[in-house]
Amino acid sequence: SQQGEEDPQALSIQEGENATMNCSYKTSINNLQWYRQNSGRGLVHLILIRSNEREKHSGRLRVTLDTSKKSSSLLITASRAADTASYFCATDEDNAGNMLTFGGGTRLMVKP
Amino acid sequence: GAGVSQSPRYKVAKRGQDVALRCDPISGHVSLFWYQQALGQGPEFLTYFQNEAQLDKSGLPSDRFFAERPEGSVSTLKIQRTQQEDSAVYLCASSPSGTGTMGYTFGSGTRLTVV
Repeated sequence: SQQGEEDPQALSIQEGENATMNCSYKTSINNLQWYRQNSGRGLVHLILIRSNEREKHSGRLRVTLDTSKKSSSLLITASRAADTASYFCATDEDNAGNMLTFGGGTRLMVKP
Repeated sequence: GAGVSQSPRYKVAKRGQDVALRCDPISGHVSLFWYQQALGQGPEFLTYFQNEAQLDKSGLPSDRFFAERPEGSVSTLKIQRTQQEDSAVYLCASSPSGTGTMGYTFGSGTRLTVV
């Protein structure tokens, strides 16, 4: 079963605009991770935020985590056509072993 | 190797046929995971190895699915008597850590189509 729900399911923006994707989850977590998947390829790890962190930056990526609301957001600033992909949040749940539980993903299209 | 390698890249199987999917994780990575990804969905957990020990197989959908990692490196996911609902991309991932504190490195997956 998938723990995370991502919103929106699909997002279409123009190059240069910012893209924001949201993820909600249900249980207590150790950390939350974001992955990117280009069509027909495997997932690429983007960023990990621990449960005691509220915000993290990596290049054009900004991730926030609100454990009280059980939600996270991924912001991609100054988007490029090459950012077109599906983005998934994944949670490392407390007491659930070492597996990650993925959401259903947001399909981002950045138009040149 | 430099990344996680999966083979074959594509597999077409006739219903009822057995298939074996291979995963070569990054050398030295302790943890290895198998996920199943249906079209348009997020990956769903199948099973997890720490070295050669299969610590969690709760996600395997039926007893037709079997995974092994006998020497703690290469892993094989075997599906017996394939059925159409087994059609999906099967992703393998590895992690250097024995805990969930680090990100995974995924392979490109094996796309299985059962006809």
